[in-house]
Amino acid sequence: QVHLQESGPGLVKPSGTLSLTCAVSGDSISSGNWWTWVRQPPGKGLEWIGEIFHSGTTNYNPSLKSRVTISVDKSKSQFSLKLTSVTAADTAVYYCASSGIYALFHWGQGTLVTVSS
Amino acid sequence: EIVLTQSPGTLSLSPGERATLSCRASQSVSSTYLAWYQQKPGQAPRLLIYGASSRATGIPDRFSGSVSGTDFTLTISRLEPEDFAVYYCQQYGPSPMYTFGQGTKLEIK
Repeated sequence: QVHLQESGPGLVKPSGTLSLTCAVSGDSISSGNWWTWVRQPPGKGLEWIGEIFHSGTTNYNPSLKSRVTISVDKSKSQFSLKLTSVTAADTAVYYCASSGIYALFHWGQGTLVTVSS
Repeated sequence: EIVLTQSPGTLSLSPGERATLSCRASQSVSSTYLAWYQQKPGQAPRLLIYGASSRATGIPDRFSGSVSGTDFTLTISRLEPEDFAVYYCQQYGPSPMYTFGQGTKLEIK
């Protein structure tokens, strides 16, 4: 069973950079899955941020593409999210997930990131 | 961009009843690319259905998915108390991208 665990600061200052890491266990990060970030503002719906394959190939949501970088560290079996120039609108629960067959099969528990001074 | 519209926004039913949740795509979507998730308060979403009609591992057979044209349906045949939650549909593409519907809240009547 794949287990995903997000980690990172819960508070980021406006105009700063949000950085999160997702640790993967129970599956090889070099498997055929894509590794994905999704976010959910408080009380709202789900928004796909982007994904990465173990080769380093990435796909991003066009609405966030200019501010997002997703990277993978195969030696640590983890992948990471960086979101720059954050504002209050970026306050959300951030989930990491594994995707395959065009669906998100396994999810981390999520981590709340608040953008505030 | 394909927009998914879910209806109703809120569905009030009693345990034992049948629930029918709808997800309409703004343009043609391959059934291969359509999934459904359940989300309970304070929890991550859980994949229920992928490929429009295939149940994910461990999902009870009271959950089923179907498609007719651009209309996708999630049916829960007999509601159990643990089924009351928010349900999201999701599609993949065009271009590598996932989009979600706005969600249907299934509440106890």
